[in-house]
Parts: sequence; C-alpha cells; structure tokens
Amino acid sequence: ETGVTQTPRHLVMGMTNKKSLKCEQHLGHNAMYWYKQSAKKPLELMFVYNFKEQTENNSVPSRFSPECPNSSHLFLHLHTLQPEDSALYLCASSQGRGQGGDEEKLFFGSGTQLSVL
Amino acid sequence: DAKTTQPPSMDCAEGRAANLPCNHSTISGNEYVYWYRQIHSQGPQYIIHGLKNNETNEMASLIITEDRKSSTLILPHATLRDTAVYYCIVRRKNSNYQLIWGAGTKLIIKP
Repeated sequence: ETGVTQTPRHLVMGMTNKKSLKCEQHLGHNAMYWYKQSAKKPLELMFVYNFKEQTENNSVPSRFSPECPNSSHLFLHLHTLQPEDSALYLCASSQGRGQGGDEEKLFFGSGTQLSVL
Repeated sequence: DAKTTQPPSMDCAEGRAANLPCNHSTISGNEYVYWYRQIHSQGPQYIIHGLKNNETNEMASLIITEDRKSSTLILPHATLRDTAVYYCIVRRKNSNYQLIWGAGTKLIIKP
C-alpha cells in the first residue's frame, strides 16, 4: 500500500462516453499528479496540482479535464476520447513544496488501465 | 533537466548483487538523482535518491561518482520480486515538477 488509491482499476469506454477517474491520497501531501503511460512508452506528465492549484498542464487535449477539490482528492474527467488515449493513467502525490530531496518523492497509485473502443 | 542513459535490459542471478548503471553527464550542481522501479502493471515505486553523497536505505544503495556524471543503483541481494523496470531520473531542486522519464532498465532476476 502506497497511500494513494485509484479507482477504477480498469475502464472500458466508447468514444462518446463520459467517465471519471478518481484518486485519493492518505499521506497528507500537498501536490498531486496525473501521468499517462502508453504501451512501451515512458511516463508522460499530464497535470500537477499544488495546494489545490493547477501548476502544470503539459499541453493535454481538452478532452481530459482535471479537478482537484482538496489536497487529498484528484479527478480526471474524460469525454469524447480517442482510441489512442488507451493507456495506463497513474496518479501520484508528493509533499509538494518544490524543494527537491525527500519532499519531492513521488508516491504512485496502482493506476487505471483505460481502453477506448 | 539533465537527460539520463540506462541500458535497456540486464539479468542478475537470485541472491547476487544487482548493479544498475545510469549516465547523467549533463547534470548540474543542484540536481538530485532519483531511482524508481515499476513492476508490471503497477505504479512506479520510489527506491532512493541522492545529491552528492552515496546513500543507503532498506531497499538499495546509491553510488554517485565524484563528478556526478553517473551513478549506480545496487540491490545487494536480488530476489525474484526485484524483477522490474528501473528508472534513473534527474530532477532540479526547486523544479517545476517536471520529470523526464526514460525507458529505464528492465532487470530480470533469474533463479
């Protein structure tokens, strides 16, 4: 157990569906992240929230919409996705003060394996 | 951020020490070296990090060369459960949270 919980573990959706991924951390961290990992590709950072404010958006298409209602919860709302969006979506958290070292160790959830048909 | 170079794959016998190298020749003075590993279909797991000095924790040891251009992760007594992809990442102190994840090293522990 890493202290970061993601649901659902698996999701199959059609291109016209709307779904949401949920992430919850029980570590008292202030920064939360969404990463995308496509098959046989390195992890790609999508979004970063620090103290509930979005600090990074890595040119992610608008069909991905993040939401961070508080420091413990992070959502990724999905709509009109494409088959190439099929991937493992990982949530992570860190203490978040941007000072490097121990404070920026990332704790990852197990991910949501998303398939878009 | 500095880029890292790792061998794509390595084998190690169970019970032996696994030594995973990483080159980060463009590293700057305030960049930390982090190591993570990812077991198939799971999220990456933090292993260890360092700046200048060698580090050791319950999982591994990290040896950083004096010029900081390379480092080695050492798993002292590898077990089958250590089979995973190992990532060496360099990030900047006070960075904007950007990590550059490469392809990592696929470590296979053999019985």
